Parts: sequence; C-alpha cells; structure tokens
Amino acid sequence: DTGVSQDPRHKITKRGQNVTFRCDPISEHNRLYWYRQTLGQGPEFLTYFQNEAQLEKSRLLSDRFSAERPKGSFSTLEIQRTEQGDSAMYLCASSFRAFYNEQFFGPGTRLTVL
Amino acid sequence: DAKTTQPNSMESNEEEPVHLPCNHSTISGTDYIHWYRQLPSQGPEYVIHGLTSNVNNRMASLAIAEDRKSSTLILHRATLRDAAVYYCILRDPSGNTPLVFGKGTRLSVIA
Repeated sequence: DTGVSQDPRHKITKRGQNVTFRCDPISEHNRLYWYRQTLGQGPEFLTYFQNEAQLEKSRLLSDRFSAERPKGSFSTLEIQRTEQGDSAMYLCASSFRAFYNEQFFGPGTRLTVL
Repeated sequence: DAKTTQPNSMESNEEEPVHLPCNHSTISGTDYIHWYRQLPSQGPEYVIHGLTSNVNNRMASLAIAEDRKSSTLILHRATLRDAAVYYCILRDPSGNTPLVFGKGTRLSVIA
C-alpha cells in the first residue's frame, strides 16, 4: 500500500508525559500537513511543510507542540507535557504540488490523555 | 477562506440518489469548491472539486449554481459504504492553503 501511513494508530498516556507521532507521506509528495480532530468536529489545521521547511503554523499549535520533517520525507509531531485537552485524533495528509492540490490523508493517531 | 454552511445530517435509502447541499454566499470569484468525505474511523478523502461548471467523476457529481453561491454534491445511487461525513470546502486557486473543515453533513444510508 503506498498511501499515507501513521504510527502509532492509538496512544494512551498519562497527563504530563511527552508523546511523539510519526507520519510517512506518499513518496513523491512534497507537502505534508498535520490536523487535529476532536469528537463531532471537522479536522483543524495545525501545521504544514513544503519539503523540510515548516511554512505555516496554526494558533492551535501551542509551545508544547513541535513538528519536524528533517529530510523532507517523514514527519514527527511531538506533544510535551500532555494535557487532557490534547486528547484527539491527529491526522496527517500529504499532497503533490498541483494546481488543485488534493490532499491524501492517513488513518490518524488517536491520542487519549488520562 | 470563505465560510460554507451545510445541514448537520441527512438520511437516504440505499440505491437512491442523494443531494447534499452547501451554501457559500461569500465565495470569491476565484475560489474552487472542494468536497471531501470521512468514512467512520478513517481520515478524510477527496471526492470532487469544481469552479463554475458541473463536474462528474466516478464517485459523484458536483452541481454548481450559476451565481456560485451554492453547490450540491450528488451521489447517484447511495450505498451503505457511502455513509460518512461530507465536507464542502472553498479553496483559493493556488491550492496552497490548508483545508478548512466545517462540521460537514453526516449522511446515513438505510438498507
């Protein structure tokens, strides 16, 4: 399967712990996006990379959140000192630069903070 | 991105057509209309997009009003696998911006 993959699919952690998620985009895609989705809501944009450059960050991305895409391939999203309000589905999407820029989403990582 | 308005939920019988409406009265002249859907326990997936003319693909049809202030996603024969949340999203022509999702329309399909 050559779609977007995310790891882990589920993560349960205690409040105050750090967690890291990984996203592997479709190989030829140079753009990578992170979104967060809470129950009953549509996904909300967090941050976006073009190759290894982080081009945009949402106000939702507090100082406890950091994302990297070191070689323009896979990306990691780290949350430090997790809070119960961080519990959500974290979605990754990738796209190839094209005029309509369709985004392909991974299955998401569901985070539960106890 | 301009705002879109969709009904919270809709219901359809299996194998009947479904018309999912979207209002976008503040759309700019160059915004594209995109539709994504999210099946249960999955990430969203692209369905279709258009600018002015009606569009068809293997998944659905998109009918765009002449004034572009509304559009309708048409599923010609709903199946149980079409049960999902459908999102109508406006995007600038560069396509460089992130997707801005609303709450979408939850479609239930009854066998």
